[in-house]
Amino acid sequence: DAGVIQSPRHEVTEMGQEVTLRCKPISGHNSLFWYRQTMMRGLELLIYFNNNVPIDDSGMPEDRFSAKMPNASFSTLKIQPSEPRDSAVYFCASSFAREGPRSDYNEQFFGPGTRLTVL
Amino acid sequence: GNSVTQMEGPVTLSEEAFLTINCTYTATGYPSLFWYVQYPGEGLQLLLKATKADDKGSNKGFEATYRKETTSFHLEKGSVQVSDSAVYFCALAKGGGGTSYGKLTFGQGTILTVHP
Repeated sequence: DAGVIQSPRHEVTEMGQEVTLRCKPISGHNSLFWYRQTMMRGLELLIYFNNNVPIDDSGMPEDRFSAKMPNASFSTLKIQPSEPRDSAVYFCASSFAREGPRSDYNEQFFGPGTRLTVL
Repeated sequence: GNSVTQMEGPVTLSEEAFLTINCTYTATGYPSLFWYVQYPGEGLQLLLKATKADDKGSNKGFEATYRKETTSFHLEKGSVQVSDSAVYFCALAKGGGGTSYGKLTFGQGTILTVHP
């Protein structure tokens, strides 16, 4: 299994530009999570999907951020327009979320991350 | 709501020293508990987990025991190596009724540096 795939691995852009981060989850997984990691704020959950439907986007910092999951094998996180404070490592993770009373011990598998630098 | 608190870092140890990283949690019901590790330049990966009270998770010489009475899941290793230098995250998954869709609540992470 190739694991969670993210692209690009590194992105350098100028303030005001649109940035699109991509994620391919592990085949068969039904939940997908987008995180942001910085030294100052640590690991933050931005948004997560289940069966391609957004469940909770309360972690999205502002309207400049948007995420989509058009199918079970692909998701994007878009920042438009980008700002220097968006510089961070963005991680995508996927899991197979089971139903039932003992459903909640599902391991999340993380991708390698995209390091975004906004100048 | 659910929350996880880890000991403040960074932690600096000499090789072969004993390691403890404290983790306590607040949650309703019976959460499952995890330790994740992040090596430099990589994503997080599962180190060990425990799904019910008194369970002990273990992997690569690391151990953690799910203590419901103290709501803790402390990470220990008897003899650390330079290669253990990484960031360690404690996390929990909601227990009980309903579904969390696989969401995990993470602690703030603890940086461990091991010197030769």
